[in-house]
Amino acid sequence: TQLLEQSPQFLSIQEGENLTVYCNSSSVFSSLQWYRQEPGEGPVLLVTVVTGGEVKKLKRLTFQFGDARKDSSLHITAAQPGDTGLYLCAGRYSGAGSYQLTFGKGTKLSVIP
Amino acid sequence: NAGVTQTPKFRVLKTGQSMTLLCAQDMNHEYMYWYRQDPGMGLRLIHYSVGEGTTAKGEVPDGYNVSRLKKQNFLLGLESAAPSQTSVYFCASSYFRGSDYEQYFGPGTRLTVT
Repeated sequence: TQLLEQSPQFLSIQEGENLTVYCNSSSVFSSLQWYRQEPGEGPVLLVTVVTGGEVKKLKRLTFQFGDARKDSSLHITAAQPGDTGLYLCAGRYSGAGSYQLTFGKGTKLSVIP
Repeated sequence: NAGVTQTPKFRVLKTGQSMTLLCAQDMNHEYMYWYRQDPGMGLRLIHYSVGEGTTAKGEVPDGYNVSRLKKQNFLLGLESAAPSQTSVYFCASSYFRGSDYEQYFGPGTRLTVT
């Protein structure tokens, strides 16, 4: 079983602060996705990265894919209470089983007004 | 479009009872998935389907069966429920867009087995 380590598991910050969430594996991904999940709902796709070193921005969220395609980070600038939720990274490995996504355990973010 | 819908939203079962969870999507997606989500465990894949009439095992398939008789529906069955199957179940469908498959999730079914 290929593992995706996500850290930190919990994060509680004040409104306006910056934060970074990390996603790491010992294996190479063919692609990596970040999802956000609110209580009582299913995850919603935020972004997909496929190229080593790739950086994508979504308003105050910046996603980076490591050069070796084994890790990724999500950086939020000036966090808002509306950013509160569970952030999940999900990696797709090439070869057999490439239809499947492997999910990290998630980072539960609370932004305090 | 309704997207991905799941029925029922909540269910309580007694140990040994059976039930079927229904997932429906109206986006004409080929691929469909069933996951379970437990506290501190993230999302784990139970079974998936790459097209009508096909199914395959995921990471945690034991105790579950699935069927994909129609492209838009993916059914998850529990033949003899156990307390270890208490969880939130999510269905998803996906299609290829740009550089990767995008997954769309349903709202989930919260199942409690007593």
